Amino acid sequence: DAKTTQPNSMESNEEEPVHLPCNHSTISGTDYIHWYRQLPSQGPEYVIHGLTSNVNNRMASLAIAEDRKSSTLILHRATLRDAAVYYCILRDGYSGAGSYQLTFGKGTKLSVIP
Amino acid sequence: EPEVTQTPSHQVTQMGQEVILRCVPISNHLYFYWYRQILGQKVEFLVSFYNNEISEKSEIFDDQFSVERPDGSNFTLKIRSTKLEDSAMYFCASMMVSGGGGSSYNEQFFGPGTRLTVL
Repeated sequence: DAKTTQPNSMESNEEEPVHLPCNHSTISGTDYIHWYRQLPSQGPEYVIHGLTSNVNNRMASLAIAEDRKSSTLILHRATLRDAAVYYCILRDGYSGAGSYQLTFGKGTKLSVIP
Repeated sequence: EPEVTQTPSHQVTQMGQEVILRCVPISNHLYFYWYRQILGQKVEFLVSFYNNEISEKSEIFDDQFSVERPDGSNFTLKIRSTKLEDSAMYFCASMMVSGGGGSSYNEQFFGPGTRLTVL
């Protein structure tokens, strides 16, 4: 899987929007962009994914650059419960009979200030 | 909402002992995984399991490790002779593979983890 680069940490005030960036300059045409997060003392949790178009779900939005070399996870209104490590992961959507394993990096530790 | 469960939540063992970590994946899921996370480090893939056999395994998953789905509901990770460096959180995950090409819809659901402490 192609490599991603994320800031080590970010801070946000509660109830404000948060933009978490991810660079993936070596992304291939079949790589999907997945975001997972890990709350303290919990297992990772799926947040959102996309291929080319921007995506929205109940948790977040994903904005994907036109050249796909970067993406941004947007939390529209940060809450204290959003404090977590956020992982941007690329996975080949056409890896055939592969296992679809996830390769986690260090992620971005998001702190939310009350 | 269906969830992945893991038992025990914390396992303490002596070096050289065998441990079995248990997971109950979501019932209609077909792919199963074990990951581990050493304290303060990244989540690392160990092994994937599909159709009653290992699909892929990492370099970490050596001969000391084995996985099994003994009864169609449980999914277990066995470490035959634990070492100090096996101390970590072990996460089980499961995934339902949708039909059609690509894996865009394949979200992995993780359990809460088992903390393994090897003394």
